[in-house]
Amino acid sequence: AQSVTQPDIHITVSEGASLELRCNYSYGATPYLFWYVQSPGQGLQLLLKYFSGDTLVQGIKGFEAEFKRSQSSFNLRKPSVHWSDAAEYFCAVDAGNNDMRFGAGTRLTVKP
Amino acid sequence: DAGVTQSPTHLIKTRGQQVTLRCSPKSGHDTVSWYQQALGQGPQFIFQYYEEEERQRGNFPDRFSGHQFPNYSSELNVNALLLGDSALYLCASSWTGGRPLHFGNGTRLTVT
Repeated sequence: AQSVTQPDIHITVSEGASLELRCNYSYGATPYLFWYVQSPGQGLQLLLKYFSGDTLVQGIKGFEAEFKRSQSSFNLRKPSVHWSDAAEYFCAVDAGNNDMRFGAGTRLTVKP
Repeated sequence: DAGVTQSPTHLIKTRGQQVTLRCSPKSGHDTVSWYQQALGQGPQFIFQYYEEEERQRGNFPDRFSGHQFPNYSSELNVNALLLGDSALYLCASSWTGGRPLHFGNGTRLTVT
């Protein structure tokens, strides 16, 4: 069965520092991959998606993610974090059956 | 162009009662999915509706049922509420076969 693992429950970074959030998936083929962000009490906002092609994808708010087939990973990165980036981040997998599976999330805290 | 809208925003029910949550999809979308997000966890897929029929279902009991109307809006019904049903219920929409999902801000259900 497809699954998504986000190994880091909580990450704290200083404002202006770089960020990498990890995501690993388990699936027989290459699924559709997504990163969503959720602010407290809010729904999920799409940051970026990977369907095929270039393995480095750009998203909104300066985020990017790299798909690595050999590692079954889709890590999210940002070169310089802003205080407004503090939120919960979810990696998600759609194996093509319209059933999207989410990781447990990584909570990002930004120190001033 | 309105996005996905959900009502009500918050709801408090007593154990054993029944609840109905409502969702209007983003304009142009015809497929509605429902997710349950317990505190501190990622969203869990409940089911998906297309053409007024349930097309996919996650691992949820029959107490969870839904409906989709001709205008593509949808309802989620939960019978015989348990304390463990307390969660944020998210509705997401897409067009047929389309990705990604667009999420509403959710309905916070508290069962006492």
